[in-house]
Amino acid sequence: AQRVTQPEKLLSVFKGAPVELKCNYSYSGSPELFWYVQYSRQRLQLLLRHISRESIKGFTADLNKGETSFHLKKPFAQEEDSAMYYCALSGNGGYQKVTFGTGTKLQVIP
Amino acid sequence: DVKVTQSSRYLVKRTGEKVFLECVQDMDHENMFWYRQDPGLGLRLIYFSYDVKMKEKGDIPEGYSVSREKKERFSLILESASTNQTSMYLCASSFPGVDTQYFGPGTRLTVL
Repeated sequence: AQRVTQPEKLLSVFKGAPVELKCNYSYSGSPELFWYVQYSRQRLQLLLRHISRESIKGFTADLNKGETSFHLKKPFAQEEDSAMYYCALSGNGGYQKVTFGTGTKLQVIP
Repeated sequence: DVKVTQSSRYLVKRTGEKVFLECVQDMDHENMFWYRQDPGLGLRLIYFSYDVKMKEKGDIPEGYSVSREKKERFSLILESASTNQTSMYLCASSFPGVDTQYFGPGTRLTVL
């Protein structure tokens, strides 16, 4: 069974401080990992996926297979980063179900 | 630009009513999904479909059914609504395989 754990329901940081949103997963094969974001009164949207190895809005995430983690990081938080963040996992090959974590609300304090 | 639309933003129904939630996408996506989103529980998959007239159960299918008669439309049906089905319902679509899901704006359903 695949599982995604986001241990923090709420993360509050000051503007300009570093951000790290934690995500751990459980999957027996080689997973695809994603971060989705939902800003206030907007629809859920993809932020980044690990195979792209890109930085979006200053956020990066590295897949650590040894620690089974995919933490989302940003060196300097901005007020507009305040949102709900969901980590998601999918298996590889053919159709695979996507499993979402419970989400972390990031609050950036001005 | 992908567009996923849902028939209602807010819906109030009474216990026992049959409820239809409609989702339409305009990107010719094969895959379509229904999730419910609850605080502290994240997104939970109810049903998904990877082709017309095909459907697969997700993690919490009990009390729900779906219909996909056309590629662009995926309907979620609550046969007999109950108060524990009060939730935000999200529809999503994607291309086949492992791919980005595009979400609709959500329908907030309240069952009284």
